[in-house]
Amino acid sequence: AQSVTQPDIHITVSEGASLELRCNYSYGATPYLFWYVQSPGQGLQLLLKYFSGDTLVQGIKGFEAEFKRSQSSFNLRKPSVHWSDAAEYFCAVGARRGGSEKLVFGKGTKLTVNP
Amino acid sequence: DAGVIQSPRHEVTEMGQEVTLRCKPISGHDYLFWYRQTMMQGLELLVYFNNKAVMDDSGMPKDRFSAKMPNASFSTLKIQPSEPRDSAVYFCASSFGAAFYGYTFGSGTRLTVV
Repeated sequence: AQSVTQPDIHITVSEGASLELRCNYSYGATPYLFWYVQSPGQGLQLLLKYFSGDTLVQGIKGFEAEFKRSQSSFNLRKPSVHWSDAAEYFCAVGARRGGSEKLVFGKGTKLTVNP
Repeated sequence: DAGVIQSPRHEVTEMGQEVTLRCKPISGHDYLFWYRQTMMQGLELLVYFNNKAVMDDSGMPKDRFSAKMPNASFSTLKIQPSEPRDSAVYFCASSFGAAFYGYTFGSGTRLTVV
C-alpha cells in the first residue's frame, strides 16, 4: 500500500522569500503524485500532478514540483511567496494500476507567511 | 459547472442522533469519494464509489456509518447513532477516471456531535 510523509508540520516564511515543502512517498511502482492546497474553511484544490514524463511539473499559482525517483520525493517549490499563499498543503500518492483506486494523503504542512 | 456540492455546510447534533450528509458530484464524473478530516488523523478515506457501486469501504466504521449512491448525481453518508468522536470535517470528492486525474473536492461539512 502507498503512503506519504510530509516531515514539516508547520513552516513560516517571509513574503517574497522562496519556499520548498517536502514530500516523501512509499510505493512499489511509479506513482501518481499530487499537491493540494486547503485554505481555512475550504475544500482542497489541486495545485499540480505528476503522472510520467518530465520530472519537473508546473502548476497553478506559480507552484512547481520535482519528482525524484531515487529519493522517493516530490517536493513543492515556489520562488517568491505571496501573503495569499498562507494555507495548508497536502501531498498525495495514488495507485497506478490495480488495487484500490484512491489517493492517500500526507498529514499536511501549514504555511504561515510573514509580511 | 458548480463543482462538487455538499450539504449542509455545518451540522451540530446530539450524541445518539442520526446525521445525514449529502453530496452532488460533478456531472460526468464516475468516481465519488468520502473523506473525513481530523486534526489527529488527517484525511482518511471512508468509502468510494465507481459508477454508483461501492469499491472500497474498508475505512468506514460499518456498525454506525452507511454510504449510498442511488444515482450518478447524488450520494449520502449516514451516521447512526452519532458519537462525539465523529466530530470532524467530511469531504466529498469526485473524479473522472479515478486517481489518474486527481479529485475535485467539495467545501466539506463540519460535523459537531455534542
